[in-house]
Amino acid sequence: GGIITQTPKFLIGQEGQKLTLKCQQNFNHDTMYWYRQDSGKGLRLIYYSITENDLQKGDLSEGYDASREKKSSFSLTVTSAQKNEMAVFLCASSTAIANSDYTFGSGTRLLVI
Amino acid sequence: QQKVQQSPESLSVPEGGMASLNCTSSDRNFQYFWWYRQHSGEGPKALMSIFSDGDKKEGRFTAHLNKASLHVSLHIRDSQPSDSALYFCAAYTGNYKYVFGAGTRLKVIA
Repeated sequence: GGIITQTPKFLIGQEGQKLTLKCQQNFNHDTMYWYRQDSGKGLRLIYYSITENDLQKGDLSEGYDASREKKSSFSLTVTSAQKNEMAVFLCASSTAIANSDYTFGSGTRLLVI
Repeated sequence: QQKVQQSPESLSVPEGGMASLNCTSSDRNFQYFWWYRQHSGEGPKALMSIFSDGDKKEGRFTAHLNKASLHVSLHIRDSQPSDSALYFCAAYTGNYKYVFGAGTRLKVIA
């Protein structure tokens, strides 16, 4: 079986800092996603990549950059961390078949002080 | 504005009881749904999908879809403490994307 790994698991940053989160998958999935999870708001899409050289904005892309370095890896950058921000960032991957389910990583928990 | 509304926000059921979770879409173009379950400290895991009107049963889990009313539900019979988790409904929006509801937190009381 495959695995999707997010690093780091916990991230404490300072206001204004640029922070990078990484995601690796070995399912050979074409499509990868970054979601933000806030309590009571569900999962909101930040960026996604349908194939290796593709990058598309989600509903919450402002304040973030993303990079699909290769088929197996997808990174997310918080361009300027906001004070008191606290959220879980979830990476997911999927086959390039419409209606396929996602496989999620266990998340990176961010706290900005 | 959430395009997928879930209810209730939280739910407690006794062990062995039936849990019923609801999801309503605001977009008639959403025709394909997944249910996900997230245990504390983990990422969500896909439970089951539904895209045809009616019921779909997988073990203790039954999903129901009514396209006319844009309503999807998940019923868990014989609920176990291990079913305690956050449950998400996700609607396929096209272009390999889903929109997620805010979730229902289920607690099964032993």
